Amino acid sequence: SYDLTQPPSVSVSPGQTARITCSGDTVAKQYPYWYQQKPGQAPVLLLYKDTQRASGIPDRFSASSSGTKATLTISGVQAEDEADYYCQSADTSGTRVFGGGTKLTVL
Amino acid sequence: QVTLRESGPALVKPTQTLKLTCTFSGFSLDTNGMRVSWIRQPPGKALEWLARIDWDDDKFYSMSLKTRLSISKDTSINQVVLTMTNMDPEDTATYFCAREGPVPGLYYFDYWGQGILVAVSS
Repeated sequence: SYDLTQPPSVSVSPGQTARITCSGDTVAKQYPYWYQQKPGQAPVLLLYKDTQRASGIPDRFSASSSGTKATLTISGVQAEDEADYYCQSADTSGTRVFGGGTKLTVL
Repeated sequence: QVTLRESGPALVKPTQTLKLTCTFSGFSLDTNGMRVSWIRQPPGKALEWLARIDWDDDKFYSMSLKTRLSISKDTSINQVVLTMTNMDPEDTATYFCAREGPVPGLYYFDYWGQGILVAVSS
């Protein structure tokens, strides 16, 4: 089980908006970070410090949070966005936790 | 330029101890606030955080694996070592090391190694 809950899969057509949620008690205390992972590759940081995009990340990637749920939004989805997406947080004990991951399929 | 690279055995037998080394460049683990973590990913499954070592030698472990893990660093040669005892086939995974940047109050992994696939089989 995961302290951060993500939907296993999300499917959208090219050009549409994809929304991937991340739920958990830690979300209310600290905004989660978001990563993209393509097959056979290491994860890549997308967003940190609430809505700050990491270097080189297109502005179609954004994030928001309300209560215990955070949402990664990908506007104008492109075929290259097909990947697994993970949220990650830190708890007060100093450990780190990842969500279960969401597979984004671009139809 | 920050880089991290994992090294170690590709295959271990059940009950053996796994030793993985993360060799990094482009930053110093002596720098205040710098951290390096190990994260693993079984084939087709999610990322799982394992352990972390900080610039001040503080160490943190996954609660579920705490009794089997040990993390250490050698800042003179820019390496972080993870050992995991009593390996089981369920520990088959790609193991990543990742840097956690020195920004106070932020706990994200900004640089990752390419990962090393470790299989556990007799």
